[in-house]
Amino acid sequence: DMKVTQMPRYLIKRMGENVLLECGQDMSHETMYWYRQDPGLGLQLIYISYDVDSNSEGDIPKGYRVSRKKREHFSLILDSAKTNQTSVYFCASSGQGGYAEQFFGPGTRLTVL
Amino acid sequence: GEQVEQRPPHLSVREGDSAVIICTYTDPNSYYFFWYKQEPGAGLQLLMKVFSSTEINEGQGFTVLLNKKDKQLSLNLTAAHPGDSAVYFCAVRRGSALGRLHFGAGTQLIVIP
Repeated sequence: DMKVTQMPRYLIKRMGENVLLECGQDMSHETMYWYRQDPGLGLQLIYISYDVDSNSEGDIPKGYRVSRKKREHFSLILDSAKTNQTSVYFCASSGQGGYAEQFFGPGTRLTVL
Repeated sequence: GEQVEQRPPHLSVREGDSAVIICTYTDPNSYYFFWYKQEPGAGLQLLMKVFSSTEINEGQGFTVLLNKKDKQLSLNLTAAHPGDSAVYFCAVRRGSALGRLHFGAGTQLIVIP
């Protein structure tokens, strides 16, 4: 069905709590991504995963970690969330090759109080 | 690294008018180019992708022009309609990169009926 799913869609947490954002894709894509989107800043890359247990930092990895134990699932973890991590988080996946587009999930709106 | 500048950040046009969004990139090794559309509360959806050559691609009501000499990519919506109201992002990828896309900051387009 060529879909990227994200759970939950909305999340409210208190500062210092742990946060788990989950992403799934049904296209058997090797590469997956986590981005955050803030007004006026576009999309900022947090992490890239090239396959199971093969993850690389993006531009803003501080305060985040990821886990990929199955090709179809990619998790973003915030240990002890901070208020400046309030944002909309997008997961994406892509196939092989430079011409391969990224498919995006619907996003998770995270608010850290 | 690659820098992608997108302008304008906001654009308001009347229904039936044209709208032009321009992206300028810096890395001469950028080879693959994408335009995405993001509707409110949703993820990014691919609008069009182009290869590294001077090229015009036409879709449903829009034209994409790539000028590699000037390192410029443009999206031209002809006869805009209210359904085109969205945020538009350009993205570029190097020929040798492993999946990494560099995004512009986005353009908020409003089409007034």
